[in-house]
Amino acid sequence: ETGVTQSPTHLIKTRGQQVTLRCSSQSGHNTVSWYQQALGQGPQFIFQYYREEENGRGNFPPRFSGLQFPNYSSELNVNALELDDSALYLCASRRNPGPLGSSPLHFGNGTRLTVT
Amino acid sequence: GQQLNQSPQSMFIQEGEDVSMNCTSSSIFNTWLWYKQEPGEGPVLLIALYKAGELTSNGRLTAQFGITRKDSFLNISASIPSDVGIYFCAGRRQGGSEKLVFGKGTKLTVNP
Repeated sequence: ETGVTQSPTHLIKTRGQQVTLRCSSQSGHNTVSWYQQALGQGPQFIFQYYREEENGRGNFPPRFSGLQFPNYSSELNVNALELDDSALYLCASRRNPGPLGSSPLHFGNGTRLTVT
Repeated sequence: GQQLNQSPQSMFIQEGEDVSMNCTSSSIFNTWLWYKQEPGEGPVLLIALYKAGELTSNGRLTAQFGITRKDSFLNISASIPSDVGIYFCAGRRQGGSEKLVFGKGTKLTVNP
Protein backbone atom coordinates (compact mmCIF):
# COMPACT_ATOMS: atom_id res chain seq x y z
CA GLU A 1 0.00 0.00 0.00
CA THR A 2 1.70 3.19 -1.21
CA GLY A 3 -0.90 5.71 -0.08
CA VAL A 4 -1.25 7.06 -3.62
CA THR A 5 -4.74 6.64 -5.04
CA GLN A 6 -5.65 7.28 -8.65
CA SER A 7 -9.05 7.56 -10.29
CA PRO A 8 -10.59 6.35 -12.43
CA THR A 9 -8.83 3.02 -12.94
CA HIS A 10 -9.94 2.77 -16.55
CA LEU A 11 -11.24 5.31 -19.04
CA ILE A 12 -12.25 5.27 -22.69
CA LYS A 13 -12.30 8.52 -24.67
CA THR A 14 -12.69 9.55 -28.28
CA ARG A 15 -10.01 11.32 -30.29
CA GLY A 16 -10.29 15.10 -29.86
CA GLN A 17 -11.91 14.92 -26.44
CA GLN A 18 -10.45 16.18 -23.18
CA VAL A 19 -9.72 14.09 -20.07
CA THR A 20 -8.94 14.75 -16.41
CA LEU A 21 -7.17 12.13 -14.31
CA ARG A 22 -6.97 12.43 -10.54
CA CYS A 23 -4.47 11.48 -7.88
CA SER A 24 -4.60 11.61 -4.11
CA SER A 25 -1.34 11.45 -2.16
CA GLN A 26 -0.40 10.88 1.46
CA SER A 27 -0.49 13.83 3.80
CA GLY A 28 2.84 15.64 3.67
CA HIS A 29 3.72 14.45 0.16
CA ASN A 30 4.17 17.85 -1.39
CA THR A 31 5.93 16.70 -4.56
CA VAL A 32 3.89 14.92 -7.21
CA SER A 33 5.00 13.64 -10.60
CA TRP A 34 3.03 12.20 -13.50
CA TYR A 35 4.30 9.55 -15.88
CA GLN A 36 2.94 8.03 -19.08
CA GLN A 37 3.56 4.31 -19.62
CA ALA A 38 2.80 2.98 -23.10
CA LEU A 39 2.27 -0.75 -23.52
CA GLY A 40 5.55 -2.63 -23.29
CA GLN A 41 7.55 0.45 -22.33
CA GLY A 42 8.92 2.01 -19.20
CA PRO A 43 7.23 5.07 -17.71
CA GLN A 44 8.01 8.45 -19.32
CA PHE A 45 8.17 11.60 -17.18
CA ILE A 46 5.44 14.12 -18.03
CA PHE A 47 5.90 16.78 -15.35
CA GLN A 48 6.35 17.46 -11.64
CA TYR A 49 4.61 19.77 -9.20
CA TYR A 50 5.93 21.08 -5.92
CA ARG A 51 3.82 23.23 -3.64
CA GLU A 52 1.24 23.70 -6.39
CA GLU A 53 3.68 24.91 -9.03
CA GLU A 54 5.13 23.04 -12.00
CA ASN A 55 8.91 22.73 -11.52
CA GLY A 56 9.95 20.17 -14.11
CA ARG A 57 8.59 18.97 -17.43
CA GLY A 58 9.40 16.17 -19.83
CA ASN A 59 9.05 16.09 -23.59
CA PHE A 60 5.26 16.43 -23.71
CA PRO A 61 3.24 19.10 -25.57
CA PRO A 62 1.33 21.89 -23.79
CA ARG A 63 -1.97 20.05 -24.19
CA PHE A 64 -0.74 17.99 -21.21
CA SER A 65 -1.27 20.16 -18.15
CA GLY A 66 -1.65 19.65 -14.44
CA LEU A 67 -2.78 21.04 -11.15
CA GLN A 68 -1.74 20.35 -7.59
CA PHE A 69 -3.98 21.28 -4.65
CA PRO A 70 -3.17 22.09 -1.00
CA ASN A 71 -4.90 18.89 0.16
CA TYR A 72 -2.20 16.72 -1.54
CA SER A 73 -4.41 15.87 -4.49
CA SER A 74 -3.52 16.58 -8.10
CA GLU A 75 -4.87 16.36 -11.63
CA LEU A 76 -3.52 15.59 -15.05
CA ASN A 77 -5.45 17.17 -17.92
CA VAL A 78 -5.02 16.21 -21.53
CA ASN A 79 -6.72 18.22 -24.28
CA ALA A 80 -7.36 17.25 -27.91
CA LEU A 81 -6.74 13.56 -27.26
CA GLU A 82 -4.84 11.60 -29.89
CA LEU A 83 -4.76 7.84 -30.44
CA ASP A 84 -1.13 7.74 -29.23
CA ASP A 85 -2.24 9.10 -25.86
CA SER A 86 -3.57 5.63 -25.06
CA ALA A 87 -1.43 4.49 -22.12
CA LEU A 88 -1.26 3.88 -18.39
CA TYR A 89 -0.89 7.20 -16.55
CA LEU A 90 0.95 6.96 -13.26
CA CYS A 91 1.01 9.44 -10.43
CA ALA A 92 3.91 9.37 -7.97
CA SER A 93 4.52 11.39 -4.84
CA ARG A 94 7.08 11.91 -2.08
CA ARG A 95 8.07 14.33 0.64
CA ASN A 96 10.44 17.12 -0.30
CA PRO A 97 13.21 18.08 0.26
CA GLY A 98 15.40 15.16 1.13
CA PRO A 99 17.44 12.50 -0.60
CA LEU A 100 15.31 10.15 -2.63
CA GLY A 101 16.18 7.26 -0.38
CA SER A 102 14.85 8.70 2.82
CA SER A 103 11.63 9.56 1.04
CA PRO A 104 11.11 7.15 -1.81
CA LEU A 105 8.89 7.93 -4.77
CA HIS A 106 5.57 6.11 -4.29
CA PHE A 107 3.54 5.26 -7.38
CA GLY A 108 -0.20 4.78 -7.62
CA ASN A 109 -1.70 1.93 -9.63
CA GLY A 110 -2.43 4.20 -12.55
CA THR A 111 -5.31 5.07 -14.84
CA ARG A 112 -5.57 3.06 -18.05
CA LEU A 113 -6.66 5.51 -20.77
CA THR A 114 -7.85 4.21 -24.13
CA VAL A 115 -8.41 6.69 -26.96
CA THR A 116 -10.52 5.46 -29.88
CA GLY B 1 11.48 9.81 -25.17
CA GLN B 2 14.77 8.80 -23.63
CA GLN B 3 15.01 5.35 -22.11
CA LEU B 4 17.82 3.40 -20.52
CA ASN B 5 19.16 0.26 -22.19
CA GLN B 6 17.90 -2.62 -20.07
CA SER B 7 18.65 -6.28 -20.71
CA PRO B 8 17.56 -8.93 -21.06
CA GLN B 9 14.11 -8.06 -22.34
CA SER B 10 12.65 -11.24 -20.84
CA MET B 11 13.78 -14.23 -18.82
CA PHE B 12 12.25 -17.66 -18.29
CA ILE B 13 13.79 -19.49 -15.33
CA GLN B 14 13.15 -22.37 -12.98
CA GLU B 15 12.29 -21.78 -9.35
CA GLY B 16 15.46 -21.68 -7.27
CA GLU B 17 17.68 -20.24 -10.00
CA ASP B 18 19.53 -16.95 -9.68
CA VAL B 19 18.67 -14.03 -11.97
CA SER B 20 20.78 -11.16 -13.22
CA MET B 21 19.68 -8.13 -15.22
CA ASN B 22 21.40 -4.86 -16.04
CA CYS B 23 20.90 -1.36 -17.26
CA THR B 24 23.24 0.95 -19.16
CA SER B 25 23.18 4.55 -20.25
CA SER B 26 25.27 6.89 -22.37
CA SER B 27 24.74 9.56 -19.68
CA ILE B 28 25.82 9.78 -16.06
CA PHE B 29 23.21 9.40 -13.32
CA ASN B 30 23.67 10.18 -9.65
CA THR B 31 20.87 7.87 -8.49
CA TRP B 32 19.88 4.43 -9.73
CA LEU B 33 16.63 2.78 -8.72
CA TRP B 34 15.12 -0.63 -9.33
CA TYR B 35 11.35 -1.11 -9.42
CA LYS B 36 9.07 -4.11 -9.84
CA GLN B 37 5.69 -3.84 -11.56
CA GLU B 38 2.97 -6.48 -11.48
CA PRO B 39 -0.13 -6.53 -13.70
CA GLY B 40 -2.65 -3.85 -12.80
CA GLU B 41 -0.31 -2.13 -10.38
CA GLY B 42 2.15 0.71 -10.35
CA PRO B 43 5.92 0.25 -9.96
CA VAL B 44 7.09 -0.62 -6.46
CA LEU B 45 10.56 0.49 -5.34
CA LEU B 46 12.91 -2.41 -4.56
CA ILE B 47 16.34 -0.83 -4.12
CA ALA B 48 17.78 2.69 -4.34
CA LEU B 49 21.48 3.42 -5.00
CA TYR B 50 23.15 6.81 -4.44
CA LYS B 51 26.92 6.39 -4.77
CA ALA B 52 29.13 5.00 -7.52
CA GLY B 53 30.26 1.51 -6.55
CA GLU B 54 27.52 1.12 -3.94
CA LEU B 55 26.28 -2.43 -3.43
CA THR B 56 22.93 -2.73 -1.64
CA SER B 57 20.81 -5.73 -0.69
CA ASN B 58 17.14 -6.13 0.09
CA GLY B 59 16.48 -9.74 1.10
CA ARG B 60 17.28 -11.92 -1.90
CA LEU B 61 17.82 -8.87 -4.10
CA THR B 62 21.19 -7.21 -4.60
CA ALA B 63 21.90 -4.20 -6.78
CA GLN B 64 25.05 -2.25 -7.62
CA PHE B 65 25.68 1.29 -8.84
CA GLY B 66 28.36 1.09 -11.52
CA ILE B 67 31.69 2.85 -11.02
CA THR B 68 31.26 4.83 -14.23
CA ARG B 69 27.80 5.97 -13.01
CA LYS B 70 26.44 4.84 -16.38
CA ASP B 71 25.23 1.40 -15.39
CA SER B 72 23.61 -0.72 -12.70
CA PHE B 73 22.70 -4.36 -12.20
CA LEU B 74 20.14 -6.26 -10.17
CA ASN B 75 20.55 -9.84 -8.98
CA ILE B 76 17.82 -12.03 -7.53
CA SER B 77 18.98 -15.16 -5.74
CA ALA B 78 17.00 -18.38 -5.30
CA SER B 79 14.01 -17.17 -7.30
CA ILE B 80 10.48 -18.05 -6.20
CA PRO B 81 7.18 -17.90 -8.13
CA SER B 82 6.17 -14.56 -6.58
CA ASP B 83 9.24 -12.94 -8.19
CA VAL B 84 7.25 -12.94 -11.44
CA GLY B 85 6.78 -9.45 -12.83
CA ILE B 86 8.46 -6.73 -14.85
CA TYR B 87 11.59 -5.20 -13.37
CA PHE B 88 12.53 -1.65 -14.32
CA CYS B 89 15.71 0.27 -13.75
CA ALA B 90 15.46 4.03 -13.43
CA GLY B 91 18.07 6.77 -13.25
CA ARG B 92 17.96 10.29 -11.90
CA ARG B 93 20.38 13.06 -12.75
CA GLN B 94 21.54 15.70 -10.34
CA GLY B 95 19.25 18.69 -10.20
CA GLY B 96 15.97 19.87 -8.83
CA SER B 97 13.64 17.83 -10.97
CA GLU B 98 12.41 14.45 -9.80
CA LYS B 99 12.54 13.22 -13.40
CA LEU B 100 13.33 9.53 -13.55
CA VAL B 101 14.46 7.95 -16.82
CA PHE B 102 13.30 4.33 -17.02
CA GLY B 103 14.47 1.28 -18.92
CA LYS B 104 12.03 -0.75 -21.02
CA GLY B 105 11.87 -3.45 -18.37
CA THR B 106 12.84 -7.08 -17.94
CA LYS B 107 9.90 -9.48 -17.84
CA LEU B 108 10.64 -12.34 -15.46
CA THR B 109 8.79 -15.65 -15.57
CA VAL B 110 9.53 -18.26 -12.90
CA ASN B 111 8.46 -21.84 -13.53
CA PRO B 112 7.68 -23.79 -10.34
